[in-house]
Amino acid sequence: KQEVTQIPAALSVPEGENLVLNCSFTDSAIYNLQWFRQDPGKGLTSLLLIQSSQREQTSGRLNASLDKSSGRSTLYIAASQPGDSATYLCAVRGGNEKLTFGTGTRLTIIP
Amino acid sequence: DADVTQTPRNRITKTGKRIMLECSQTKGHDRMYWYRQDPGLGLRLIYYSFDVKDINKGEISDGYSVSRQAQAKFSLSLESAIPNQTALYFCATSGAETTAYNEQFFGPGTRLTVL
Repeated sequence: KQEVTQIPAALSVPEGENLVLNCSFTDSAIYNLQWFRQDPGKGLTSLLLIQSSQREQTSGRLNASLDKSSGRSTLYIAASQPGDSATYLCAVRGGNEKLTFGTGTRLTIIP
Repeated sequence: DADVTQTPRNRITKTGKRIMLECSQTKGHDRMYWYRQDPGLGLRLIYYSFDVKDINKGEISDGYSVSRQAQAKFSLSLESAIPNQTALYFCATSGAETTAYNEQFFGPGTRLTVL
């Protein structure tokens, strides 16, 4: 059974710093990995999706990497802003249609 | 307008009541999903549907049922609500296998409280 872990559960950093969020998974036979952002009272917003054959994806200040063999992904956020404060979730998709989610990292950017 | 909408956004009900949560999408996607989110447990899949005639159980389907009324509509029912079904419920959609790598898009969620 796939298990997805995100450590730390919470992170606070001063505005302007670069930061890395971590995601690890136990079964490397994945189809893709997706990073989401969740704001209080709102749904999940898809940030980046990495196919199993890809090593990284970039969107603006966000860069996600994938090392399938070691079961790890990172989400790099450059020049953090207060508006980046949210909970970040990663999810992996196996050969079926199911996404397995981590429990998230709650990020706070301190102005 | 939002691509994936859920109604109601908040609902408080009593134990034993039947309730329905509704999801509609304008993305033209064939695939729809229902998840629940509990603190410390992440999101877990309840049911999913690949098209109108295809319904599949997820990992925690007991106590729930679904109806896919049309390509754009997917409803989740709790036949007899119980307090441990208090959670945040999300609907999601995705395109066919070869469409945008099957990326999933989520609705805003329904916060359900069962007293």
